[in-house]
Amino acid sequence: RKEVEQDPGPFNVPEGATVAFNCTYSNSASQSFFWYRQDCRKEPKLLMSVYSSGNEDGRFTAQLNRASQYISLLIRDSKLSDSATYLCVVGHNDMRFGAGTRLTVKP
Amino acid sequence: ETGVTQSPTHLIKTRGQQVTLRCSSQSGHNTVSWYQQALGQGPQFIFQYYREEENGRGNFPPRFSGLQFPNYSSELNVNALELDDSALYLCANSPGTGGEETQYFGPGTRLLVL
Repeated sequence: RKEVEQDPGPFNVPEGATVAFNCTYSNSASQSFFWYRQDCRKEPKLLMSVYSSGNEDGRFTAQLNRASQYISLLIRDSKLSDSATYLCVVGHNDMRFGAGTRLTVKP
Repeated sequence: ETGVTQSPTHLIKTRGQQVTLRCSSQSGHNTVSWYQQALGQGPQFIFQYYREEENGRGNFPPRFSGLQFPNYSSELNVNALELDDSALYLCANSPGTGGEETQYFGPGTRLLVL
């Protein structure tokens, strides 16, 4: 079993759609959780940290369920510029990345 | 941007050769981590350095080695290159002592092994 597993995707959605990504992790001792965004042929960039209480940043909402070892990312009102690969990241002494889920937002 | 730079940007080597990749450090960020990202995959943790000491290692063979310098810049060395070593190599800085904090990535070095 992989340490961090994500929806395989790809997700192809129209502008304005709401899209949700899911992620599960295997190490129950993990202590930090993030979503990163990676554009084609670019480096990953932090999108947002994920807290147990859930957190929101504009159109983006992240949730963490420690009991189920599950992380989610919700994107509302999708924009063309949201097209990218979204990486789920879990930290415990070091950072472990999921394989990523590719999102394409179409006009 | 992150202030993290990597060199070279692209590199072509042949099987069996050795390669050294370099990473600068953002001021005040004394932890550096190296990752290998194969096409279509997420970054895989290679190892991490804190204050010039290796501070964690992923599932990579000993032919992957590293150094961190007093100015917190870093090198990744790979000996006896194999075709499967072809990938994007990313370094990332973080400000703290642990590896669980936000990582600030450099643009990466694309290595092709023929």
